[in-house]
Amino acid sequence: EAQVTQNPRYLITVTGKKLTVTCSQNMNHEYMSWYRQDPGLGLRQIYYSMNVEVTDKGDVPEGYKVSRKEKRNFPLILESPSPNQTSLYFCASSSILEPGLFFGSGTQLSVL
Amino acid sequence: AQRVTQPEKLLSVFKGAPVELKCNYSYSGSPELFWYVQYSRQRLQLLLRHISRESIKGFTADLNKGETSFHLKKPFAQEEDSAMYYCALKGGSEKLVFGKGTKLTVNP
Repeated sequence: EAQVTQNPRYLITVTGKKLTVTCSQNMNHEYMSWYRQDPGLGLRQIYYSMNVEVTDKGDVPEGYKVSRKEKRNFPLILESPSPNQTSLYFCASSSILEPGLFFGSGTQLSVL
Repeated sequence: AQRVTQPEKLLSVFKGAPVELKCNYSYSGSPELFWYVQYSRQRLQLLLRHISRESIKGFTADLNKGETSFHLKKPFAQEEDSAMYYCALKGGSEKLVFGKGTKLTVNP
């Protein structure tokens, strides 16, 4: 089954404690992206990647890092989380030829 | 710059009534436009792409370049259509810009 898998689904942490949210897709998609969803602000892009070892900033990259060492994985790293990063995060992927995005189930992050 | 505007945060209709969710965009080139839907507690799903000109779950959307709009329409709303709807635009780069979304509620 084609899917984008994010882990964990829920995460509560404290300010400053490094964390990683994993994202994996099994569709051999070139393009992967991270979004955060906040009430009243919709979806905002954090980072995206066109292919292995190619990443670029989205609209709200501050406080986040990503890596794309393998085509299937695109982890999101928060080196020093802060409360304003409390949000619902979505990973998504697509083929360059078929640009409709497949989304993961989301990760609800709370930073205390 | 790419921008997507969904002027209505909330839209409420009765079952069987027509529904139109508005989307306006700003982009100087030829955009690709999409509608995504998010049912309660679920992931976002692609609903429509303008280039495919298809009807999904009774929804259609027509790109109007003159009015820079891509409104989503359905002639007879159903309760299961209640969801959050996002319009999105892809310009020259691979970056996809989303509107802030419209929450549709279909009342029985």
